[in-house]
Amino acid sequence: EPEVTQTPSHQVTQMGQEVILRCVPISNHLYFYWYRQILGQKVEFLVSFYNNEISEKSEIFDDQFSVERPDGSNFTLKIRSTKLEDSAMYFCASSERTGTYEQYFGPGTRLTVT
Amino acid sequence: AQTVTQSQPEMSVQEAETVTLSCTYDTSENNYYLFWYKQPPSRQMILVIRQEAYKQQNATENRFSVNFQKAAKSFSLKISDSQLGDTAMYFCAFILSEDNYGQNFVFGPGTRLSVLP
Repeated sequence: EPEVTQTPSHQVTQMGQEVILRCVPISNHLYFYWYRQILGQKVEFLVSFYNNEISEKSEIFDDQFSVERPDGSNFTLKIRSTKLEDSAMYFCASSERTGTYEQYFGPGTRLTVT
Repeated sequence: AQTVTQSQPEMSVQEAETVTLSCTYDTSENNYYLFWYKQPPSRQMILVIRQEAYKQQNATENRFSVNFQKAAKSFSLKISDSQLGDTAMYFCAFILSEDNYGQNFVFGPGTRLSVLP
């Protein structure tokens, strides 16, 4: 069964550094998403992406964040200058169609900012 | 704004018994979808079951079933014949239909379920 993959599984970075989290969505999916989950808290929506542009973003997704689909397969989340509070699990998801259809989640990348 | 509430932070159940996880939500919209996701210790979120708000019939998926009460805005998950592999964090989630604004899920805070041998 096709699945969403994410790399790395764990990223440790120093405060102020830039990080790029990578995701490979399911190949025929057109909608892509990033979520984050701070340890012990609920999953929070960050951004959705369709047709090479952001279609929706939350208040969490400020100017420090950006997303890109640099080629036909990868979908990346960049944090320009990491803060301690960016430490979280970041999940990528993709769906074949918008919203009402099942979003498939990747295994997540644990980001630790020290 | 849509909100999802799960009032049980933690629950436990004996293997082979039945457990019900609660979820309530708040929305002024009429068309939407509800989901239960399971997040085992490996941390990958897996869809357990989905319910369309326009359907009166409760969704069922093997040992998992829901009790959807639209008027009460309640969407509980029942797990029958609990198995050790059901141990996980369970998230209730809500999304508006594609005819409405918004594509993203709103998740509840989760219920940690432990299945005891």
